Amino acid sequence: GAGVSQSPSNKVTEKGKDVELRCDPISGHTALYWYRQRLGQGLEFLIYFQGNSAPDKSGLPSDRFSAERTGESVSTLTIQRTQQEDSAVYLCASSVRVKQFFGPGTRLTVL
Amino acid sequence: GQQVMQIPQYQHVQEGEDFTTYCNSSTTLSNIQWYKQRPGGHPVFLIQLVKSGEVKKQKRLTFQFGEAKKNSSLHITATQTTDVGTYFCAGSTGNQFYFGTGTSLTVIP
Repeated sequence: GAGVSQSPSNKVTEKGKDVELRCDPISGHTALYWYRQRLGQGLEFLIYFQGNSAPDKSGLPSDRFSAERTGESVSTLTIQRTQQEDSAVYLCASSVRVKQFFGPGTRLTVL
Repeated sequence: GQQVMQIPQYQHVQEGEDFTTYCNSSTTLSNIQWYKQRPGGHPVFLIQLVKSGEVKKQKRLTFQFGEAKKNSSLHITATQTTDVGTYFCAGSTGNQFYFGTGTSLTVIP
């Protein structure tokens, strides 16, 4: 595709359930980022993947959050035992040098 | 830890007025990027500044990177309604980008 895609676009879940969010980066982009954006707030860095190097997980807020990426392809962000404070838009971005191209985001609502 | 502060948080201007948003980092940055996010949309890259004291222009937008590489500004001349959105700076010291809290711009026709 021409851009970064994310799925689902919206996810409503019940507190305590696990959710998995998917990001398809632009083909050839070696770097991939996950961010969280709460309503009316800025972007909060979560995790960074660069090629086959070990990911930078320093932004993950708790051990309920994890992410995987196989090579330079799809990435999944998993949130276990969701809490209401996890409600936010989760944005994925990919880049080949420095410029980041953002996907449309997944809006997660935890009831 | 690394912090990037951005002011103001909100700005309302009459169409045709100028607008400036300021970004300040607690540490020296290797580069800084600016993004625009339209309401309901996702951030879109505007520009990257790398050199100390660098100034770049894109039509009515002027971007500056401070001499100490710890602050930056975005200035819009003669705002238009199409400029509405939230402007974020993102400072980098390596792999990570630290986004500012954003400045939400409203342009009143």
